[in-house]
Amino acid sequence: QLQLQESGPGLVKPSETLSLTCTVSGGSISSSNWYWGWIRQPPGKGLEWIGSINYSGTTYYNPSLKSRVTISVDTSKNQFSLKLTSVTATDTAVYYCARVDILVLPSTTFDYWGQGTLVTVSS
Amino acid sequence: QSVLTQPPSASGTPGQRVTISCSGSSSNIGSNTVNWYQQLPGTAPKLLIYRNNQRPSGVPDRFSGSKSGTSASLAISGLQSEDEADYYCAAWDDSLNDVVFGGGTKLTVL
Repeated sequence: QLQLQESGPGLVKPSETLSLTCTVSGGSISSSNWYWGWIRQPPGKGLEWIGSINYSGTTYYNPSLKSRVTISVDTSKNQFSLKLTSVTATDTAVYYCARVDILVLPSTTFDYWGQGTLVTVSS
Repeated sequence: QSVLTQPPSASGTPGQRVTISCSGSSSNIGSNTVNWYQQLPGTAPKLLIYRNNQRPSGVPDRFSGSKSGTSASLAISGLQSEDEADYYCAAWDDSLNDVVFGGGTKLTVL
């Protein structure tokens, strides 16, 4: 059974960089059948897609976050990562990683999700 | 303000059939497929319906999706207490080059 697990600091200071890693187990991140994505959810609010990446490093990002976001992949560790720079309180959210089904690209089909990790931006 | 519009709340009694709407435009629902997600309290979202009307394995056939023009709907028949959750629609938007979600509908089972 495929499992995804987010990890990283739960508290980040304003203006600093938020860094999270998603470790994939029970399957290979190197398959060409899927992309891997990040989605966030501010407390009490809805979902916002951040971006997605495939095993070869091809990415596509939410245009409103693109200038601050970098998603990368490490196939040797079966992990992919998120970096969000210059964070503010509005970046406080539960961050989820997910597998992206890509029968149709671009895809909004997130078929496996991590449990999510709360990141709070505060001094 | 979400690009896809959902009613903030819906409700029904056990056994009833409820529908949740998702309204968009020609650049999103009108030209791309719609997915639906169920988020039980305190948990990660779960894919409920993909490509407008397909159910992943393990999703009961009480859940069904449809799309017409620039709108989509999620129907839940034989409502059960465990269906109480937030439901989100999602689609790709060709104009925004973005994944757009609805604002979510909180379903209450009375």
